[in-house]
Amino acid sequence: DTGVSQNPRHKITKRGQNVTFRCDPISEHNRLYWYRQTLGQGPEFLTYFQNEAQLEKSRLLSDRFSAERPKGSFSTLEIQRTEQGDSAMYLCASSFQGGYGYTFGSGTRLTVV
Amino acid sequence: GQNIDQPTEMTATEGAIVQINCTYQTSGFNGLFWYQQHAGEAPTFLSYNVLDGLEEKGRFSSFLSRSKGYSYLLLKELQMKDSASYLCAVRDSRSGGYQKVTFGTGTKLQVIP
Repeated sequence: DTGVSQNPRHKITKRGQNVTFRCDPISEHNRLYWYRQTLGQGPEFLTYFQNEAQLEKSRLLSDRFSAERPKGSFSTLEIQRTEQGDSAMYLCASSFQGGYGYTFGSGTRLTVV
Repeated sequence: GQNIDQPTEMTATEGAIVQINCTYQTSGFNGLFWYQQHAGEAPTFLSYNVLDGLEEKGRFSSFLSRSKGYSYLLLKELQMKDSASYLCAVRDSRSGGYQKVTFGTGTKLQVIP
């Protein structure tokens, strides 16, 4: 296992288009997290899965955002009708239940033009 | 909610020692993390404190005082490669068992020759 994998690394899209990102966590980890990070800021929590169940979703997340983790393995994050304010780095992380450190993926950098 | 404060930027000399402070306010404190993040890369886990005191790991040490809501990260024998952002993150216990981790905005450390 080579760690947490995110695809694509970069995405440029026109405003109003839909985008989908994928995260493959470390296979033994049952917890998966999505964070968003803008320049000069720390990562902001978006949502969290334990196995296939989405247990928490940030109030920051509008209805345009949806995340899934079918079968408790990989996860997808979809943003519908993208806006320029969605431009950010989207980070995925995974951990063991009861573990204390997250392992982050390299992120997907989204640019909405 | 949580409030995490850390300096925005610091500069230190190669070979020296630098201390990065973090103060936080939270209900249900259940651990504090430090992450290192190089520009354009994902955060990597450095340390975890849940009890008061000092945790040492090679050139890096982290200290926690729960009563004061205070932590610091100490970097010794600074190297040029230590130039990065250092993120303080706090976990709190919440109902339902999920323990949310909130990140500070990070301290950008520049190591100069």
